[in-house]
Amino acid sequence: AQSVTQLGSHVSVSEGALVLLRCNYSSSVPPYLFWYVQYPNQGLQLLLKYTSAATLVKGINGFEAEFKKSETSFHLTKPSAHMSDAAEYFCAVSDSGYSTLTFGKGTMLLVSP
Amino acid sequence: EAGVTQFPSHSVIEKGQTVTLRCDPISGHDNLYWYRRVMGKEIKFLLHFVKESKQDESGMPNNRFLAERTGGTYSTLKVQPAELEDSGVYFCASSQDTLGSEQFFGPGTRLTVL
Repeated sequence: AQSVTQLGSHVSVSEGALVLLRCNYSSSVPPYLFWYVQYPNQGLQLLLKYTSAATLVKGINGFEAEFKKSETSFHLTKPSAHMSDAAEYFCAVSDSGYSTLTFGKGTMLLVSP
Repeated sequence: EAGVTQFPSHSVIEKGQTVTLRCDPISGHDNLYWYRRVMGKEIKFLLHFVKESKQDESGMPNNRFLAERTGGTYSTLKVQPAELEDSGVYFCASSQDTLGSEQFFGPGTRLTVL
């Protein structure tokens, strides 16, 4: 069975600081990995996905994530936080890319001026 | 192109009543998924349609939940009778039938059972 662990239900950063949101997964097959973001009163929006191509994946809004098989991790980073990045972020895993997603519990990113 | 839409955005009902949630996927998307997030917990899979057929309904909590997808277009999720533990946000997503396709999510329906 697949599972996703997101460390920290809340992460606080200052505007301009590095954003690091952690995600570890378990999967019995080579995984497809995703990061989604949910802004208030909106649906989930895909930030980026890993589908066994390059291990460093670049997404929208300046976010990127690195797939590390040895660490079973897929951490999300952004060099400089903006106030508009405040949202809830979800890491998810799938075993085929269009089958069902298994989500982590989500991490709320808080950005202070 | 319109995204995934869900109706209603909010629903407040009393225990024992019936509620029907609707999802309209992106046109041309054969795959349709329902997920649910109970407060404080992770988003969990409920079921997956491919066109009008149920591909996987292993996440459906019990037989009080009934999902349909008429003609492979929109889908409904009926809860009858609703219980307190059914409260949460119900998300619908759709995707094309190709490997690695992104699932596009709707804004969700917030269901509150009193």
